[in-house]
Amino acid sequence: EIVLTQSPGTLSLSPGERATLSCRASQSVSSSYLAWYQQKPGQAPRLLIYHASSRATGIPDRFSGSGSGTDFTLTISRVEPEDFAVYYCQQYGNSPQTFGQGTKVEIK
Amino acid sequence: QVQLVQSGAEVKKPGASVKVSCKTSGYTFTTYYMHWVRQAPGQGLEWMGIINPSGGTTTYAQKFQGRVTMTRDTSTRTVYMELNNLRSEDTAVYYCARVTPTSSWLFDYWGQGTLVTVSS
Repeated sequence: EIVLTQSPGTLSLSPGERATLSCRASQSVSSSYLAWYQQKPGQAPRLLIYHASSRATGIPDRFSGSGSGTDFTLTISRVEPEDFAVYYCQQYGNSPQTFGQGTKVEIK
Repeated sequence: QVQLVQSGAEVKKPGASVKVSCKTSGYTFTTYYMHWVRQAPGQGLEWMGIINPSGGTTTYAQKFQGRVTMTRDTSTRTVYMELNNLRSEDTAVYYCARVTPTSSWLFDYWGQGTLVTVSS
């Protein structure tokens, strides 16, 4: 199965700063079937990005995704207070689908 | 609106079984596959399996094969996940997650989660 490694483990930022989160796959992700989810404490995850760069319904345009093959990035152009959370990548192009271990974006 | 409402928290002893329900509303139940994903305390997301509510067919993650059973009841629009032979490592929040209209492997609606605690 494909192993997804996210970095950094924790990202400490101030509101208004740019966040860059990485997700690296152990082998190429078929058709760039890579998604990103946001999870806040006590809540279920929320789909942000799918197919590497497509925003899900209702997701603000400060969230963007990029990448292909084995290297993918989630960027938050200017972090808002409500963006402090844990972010997971998921590959769904190869069976079984797998998740990364998460990156926590915390307030600096 | 789409809603997935899960059953309440459970406390089980090692070796016991647990059955978690996920009652759905607001969409055509048989149109969208449902997944189960769990999350141990302070840990990441772990995929358990998928059920097709239309025919009841299932695919389970290899790790849970032989120990998990996913079923559905179309009359009540409910899916179930039963996990047997529980051990302490099964302590986690269990989520049902509905797929999107365009992919059977992306999740757009989630239940609120059910905490299962396994302790002697």
